[in-house]
Amino acid sequence: DQQVKQNSPSLSVQEGRISILNCDYTNSMFDYFLWYKKYPAEGPTFLISISSIKDKNEDGRFTVFLNKSAKHLSLHIVPSQPGDSAVYFCAASRQGTASKLTFGTGTRLQVTL
Amino acid sequence: DAGITQSPRHKVTETGTPVTLRCHQTENHRYMYWYRQDPGHGLRLIHYSYGVKDTDKGEVSDGYSVSRSKTEDFLLTLESATSSQTSVYFCAIRRTGLAGGSNNEQFFGPGTRLTVL
Repeated sequence: DQQVKQNSPSLSVQEGRISILNCDYTNSMFDYFLWYKKYPAEGPTFLISISSIKDKNEDGRFTVFLNKSAKHLSLHIVPSQPGDSAVYFCAASRQGTASKLTFGTGTRLQVTL
Repeated sequence: DAGITQSPRHKVTETGTPVTLRCHQTENHRYMYWYRQDPGHGLRLIHYSYGVKDTDKGEVSDGYSVSRSKTEDFLLTLESATSSQTSVYFCAIRRTGLAGGSNNEQFFGPGTRLTVL
C-alpha cells in the first residue's frame, strides 16, 4: 500500500519556465513533508520541507505548497535551470515516530535548453 | 556535506553469503537510518537506530539485521544474501537543533550499490 504517491514518473520543462512536481498521500496522520533531489550515483539531498500547520514554504527558487484537505503537496521550481535535472522524491513523516520517512516513487525532472 | 560515509560503495556477492555494510558519521547524531532504493518503490526504511544499542525495524526489515555499538557507526548485515536484496542502500542521519528546522530532516550518505548474483 503506497502511502505517498508521485503519479508522474517524469516531467520535461524548458529552462526558465516553472516546474511543478506533485505528490499525494493517503495517511492523514502525516504531519511533516519533505522534498529531496537525487542525482545519479549520489545520495538524496534535502531540498525543502513543510509542516502541516502551514500551507506554503519558500526557499529561493523552491516553494512547497500543502493542501491538507486534498492530501496533496506540490513543489514549484521557478525559474527552472538545467542543473535542476534530477529525480525528485517527496517524503512524509509523523510526530512520535522517530522521524521515519515514507517516500514516494520519485519524478524525474528534465530541464531542457 | 552531512559527514556521512558508507563502505563499501560497490559490492558484488553471491547468493547465500553474509554481507555487512557500514555507515559512519562524524557529527555524533543520535538517530541513524538504513534505506534501500529500488525502481518503482522509491526509498524504503529497513531499520533505524535511536542510540547506541537501540534499534528498531522499518518497513522492509526481513532478511536484515543491524547493530550500533558506538554512536558513529551503524552496520547493516544481510545474514544470507538473496537476489531480491540487490539494491542501492542509503544510510541517513537526523540532525537536531537545526536553525529554522523541525528536526525531522534526514541527511543521506552517498549509497552502496549491492549486487547479489
